Amino acid sequence: DAGVIQSPRHEVTEMGQEVTLRCKPISGHDYLFWYRQTMMRGLELLIYFNNNVPIDDSGMPEDRFSAKMPNASFSTLKIQPSEPRDSAVYFCASSLLGQGRGGELFFGEGSRLTVL
Amino acid sequence: AQRVTQPEKLLSVFKGAPVELKCNYSYSGSPELFWYVQYSRQRLQLLLRHISRESIKGFTADLNKGETSFHLKKPFAQEEDSAMYYCALSNTGRRALTFGSGTRLQVQP
Repeated sequence: DAGVIQSPRHEVTEMGQEVTLRCKPISGHDYLFWYRQTMMRGLELLIYFNNNVPIDDSGMPEDRFSAKMPNASFSTLKIQPSEPRDSAVYFCASSLLGQGRGGELFFGEGSRLTVL
Repeated sequence: AQRVTQPEKLLSVFKGAPVELKCNYSYSGSPELFWYVQYSRQRLQLLLRHISRESIKGFTADLNKGETSFHLKKPFAQEEDSAMYYCALSNTGRRALTFGSGTRLQVQP
């Protein structure tokens, strides 16, 4: 398995533009997580899904952020409109129930977003 | 609310010196604690978890419920240990991990 696959790896956009980040979890995993990494706050959980259903989206900063998981092999994180403060590395991770209560999270390589 | 605190953003040591990366948590229940590591140009990956009571790459971490700490230790640091280290917490019923802000370990030759 190639692991969790994220695209794009790098995105540079202008303020106000729509940004869509994509994630393909490891096949068979039933949990999918979106995290944001910044220098100031480290890794913050944005939202997570179980069997394609959003479980906790309390970390989503505001209405400009939305996430979907239409099927077990694909998820998107959308920012519309984007702002400079959204600049960060966005990580997708997946895990499988049964690997301990928390389970081991398998991370993608991240999508580095720069909003000018 | 659960919280993980890593007080040091940067820890710089010389090769062969002991290392201790601090992690404190706040959680009223029975937590499960982890250390994740991100080497340069690699993915964030699990280093160790407290329930396994294992030593990985010479690193160990003991859960101290009295002090609510889960410090990561290694007696003799190696240059290849240079990386970003995150402490993380999971609680019953919530599969997501809460991460600390991370500590960058620099091991100098």
